[in-house]
Amino acid sequence: GNSVTQMEGPVTLSEEAFLTINCTYTATGYPSLFWYVQYPGEGLQLLLKATKADDKGSNKGFEATYRKETTSFHLEKGSVQVSDSAVYFCALTSYAGKSTFGDGTTLTVKP
Amino acid sequence: EAGVAQSPRYKIIEKRQSVAFWCNPISGHATLYWYQQILGQGPKLLIQFQNNGVVDDSQLPKDRFSAERLKGVDSTLKIQPAKLEDSAVYLCASSLLRTRSSREQFFGPGTRLTVL
Repeated sequence: GNSVTQMEGPVTLSEEAFLTINCTYTATGYPSLFWYVQYPGEGLQLLLKATKADDKGSNKGFEATYRKETTSFHLEKGSVQVSDSAVYFCALTSYAGKSTFGDGTTLTVKP
Repeated sequence: EAGVAQSPRYKIIEKRQSVAFWCNPISGHATLYWYQQILGQGPKLLIQFQNNGVVDDSQLPKDRFSAERLKGVDSTLKIQPAKLEDSAVYLCASSLLRTRSSREQFFGPGTRLTVL
């Protein structure tokens, strides 16, 4: 079956530091890949997506590139802010619409 | 546009009692998902509907969990009888799922269930 493996957390960074959260996946066919974010006290929301190989998703300064050769979709941000503190989930959705999530990575950014 | 609605937001019950959760997806979204999210883990898919038909319920504990989506719009998830390990947040999500570029899901606020 499909699976998503995320870098274990928690991750603690100082403001303006560089962020990478690793995500690798196993899936048949060509899934769509997503990063969802859950801010404290809020629901899950889409952060960015990529639908085919070599696509780059970006939003709010975050980026991730769909790498089919390494089955990866790592999340990056050049300069994190305190407001980026949240739980980040990597996920895939197969062609049939079946969805699989990673276990989440908690990011804390200190001023 | 209105988001995914869920109720109740919180529920506390004793083990062996029954409970039901309700979800109303975004208008026009044919695909509806129910997830169970245990503290510290990612959402685990319980059941996926396409209109009023079940697409995937392979991880639904069918001896105690049931779900329906009559008329292909809102949906109800029921647990009967509840066990301590059912304590979790139950998330509902919906998606257009018509094309490769419309597979993202929109989540409701969730229902936090505590089983005592």
